[in-house]
Amino acid sequence: EAQVTQNPRYLITVTGKKLTVTCSQNMNHEYMSWYRQDPGLGLRQIYYSMNVEVTDKGDVPEGYKVSRKEKRNFPLILESPSPNQTSLYFCASSFIRDQPQHFGDGTRLSIL
Amino acid sequence: AQSVSQHNHHVILSEAASLELGCNYSYGGTVNLFWYVQYPGQHLQLLLKYFSGDPLVKGIKGFEAEFIKSKFSFNLRKPSVQWSDTAEYFCAVNAQVNTGKLIFGQGTTLQVKP
Repeated sequence: EAQVTQNPRYLITVTGKKLTVTCSQNMNHEYMSWYRQDPGLGLRQIYYSMNVEVTDKGDVPEGYKVSRKEKRNFPLILESPSPNQTSLYFCASSFIRDQPQHFGDGTRLSIL
Repeated sequence: AQSVSQHNHHVILSEAASLELGCNYSYGGTVNLFWYVQYPGQHLQLLLKYFSGDPLVKGIKGFEAEFIKSKFSFNLRKPSVQWSDTAEYFCAVNAQVNTGKLIFGQGTTLQVKP
């Protein structure tokens, strides 16, 4: 089954404790992206990757890091999480030319 | 800066009513346009897309959208809504085609009363 898998689905943690949200897709998509969803703001793009070892900033990259060492994986790293990063995070992937993106089920992060 | 604006934040309709959700974007060049739907507790799913050609595009579940270039708009429509259409709807624009940079609107929550 074609899917985008995010882990964990839920996480409550404390300020400053490094965390990683994993994202994996099994569709051989070149393109992957991370978004955060906040009430009244819709989805905002954090980072995206056009292919292995190619990443670029979206609209709200501050406080986040990503890496793309393999085509299927695109982890989101919060080196020193802060409460303003409490949000619902979605990973998505697609073929570059076939823009509609496949979204994961989301990761709800709460940073206290 | 490029932006996407959805005018209706919360819409309440009765079943069988007609729906139109507005979406405007600010970018003068070539765009790809999308509508996504998010049912309660679920991830986003594509409703329909416009890349080129016929400006009236049809999507899943009876939804359609019309691209009006002169108005920078891509409004979503459905002639007769059902209770199961209760969800949040997002308009999205790729204003730099083939870069993957996608800008979403704020979303519109649709509540359909049975």
